[in-house]
Amino acid sequence: QKEVEQNSGPLSVPEGAIASLNCTYSDRGSQSFFWYRQYSGKSPELIMFIYSNGDKEDGRFTAQLNKASQYVSLLIRDSQPSDSATYLCAVNGGNSGGSNYKLTFGKGTLLTVNP
Amino acid sequence: DTEVTQTPKHLVMGMTNKKSLKCEQHMGHRAMYWYKQKAKKPPELMFVYSYEKLSINESVPSRFSPECPNSSLLNLHLHALQPEDSALYLCASSLSRTSVGELFFGEGSRLTVL
Repeated sequence: QKEVEQNSGPLSVPEGAIASLNCTYSDRGSQSFFWYRQYSGKSPELIMFIYSNGDKEDGRFTAQLNKASQYVSLLIRDSQPSDSATYLCAVNGGNSGGSNYKLTFGKGTLLTVNP
Repeated sequence: DTEVTQTPKHLVMGMTNKKSLKCEQHMGHRAMYWYKQKAKKPPELMFVYSYEKLSINESVPSRFSPECPNSSLLNLHLHALQPEDSALYLCASSLSRTSVGELFFGEGSRLTVL
């Protein structure tokens, strides 16, 4: 069974700090990786995706992927109180093991940014 | 227009009722999804439609019946639900089934079954 693991948190950081969110996955055939942000009582919103090993930056967000270690992370620089939310890691296994483009979500990490 | 619109936002129903959840997108996306989310849990996939055909049913009980009348609309018909079916039901779309991770979610329909 494909698994995506995240530390449930809560992860608490002061305003202006770097928040580091981590995710590991079990299926070596996984091909694409996503980070969703979900505010309390709201629906998930895609904030980053990464397909290749290395770093991908978008504004204050950086996604990092290491396929050899089966590890993906999200860094949030200059964290703001408005970043306080649950961050869901999601992995698409592509065609491996008959998954046929199904997305597997981790349980999410609750991030709190303190003013 | 980059929205997925879901109605109703809130629904309370008894176990003998029949109701429907509706979802609409006008982004030209050809894959549409129903997810169920319980409090403090990740979304769970229920159904996937690709080009208006059901391509994935995650062994969902038959009291949930999806329907895709056209490429912009997705319905979820509800009948004889149980209290444990109370949850947030999320509709999502993506450009195609192969871009399954790049989902646009609607705001959800919060369902309470009494």
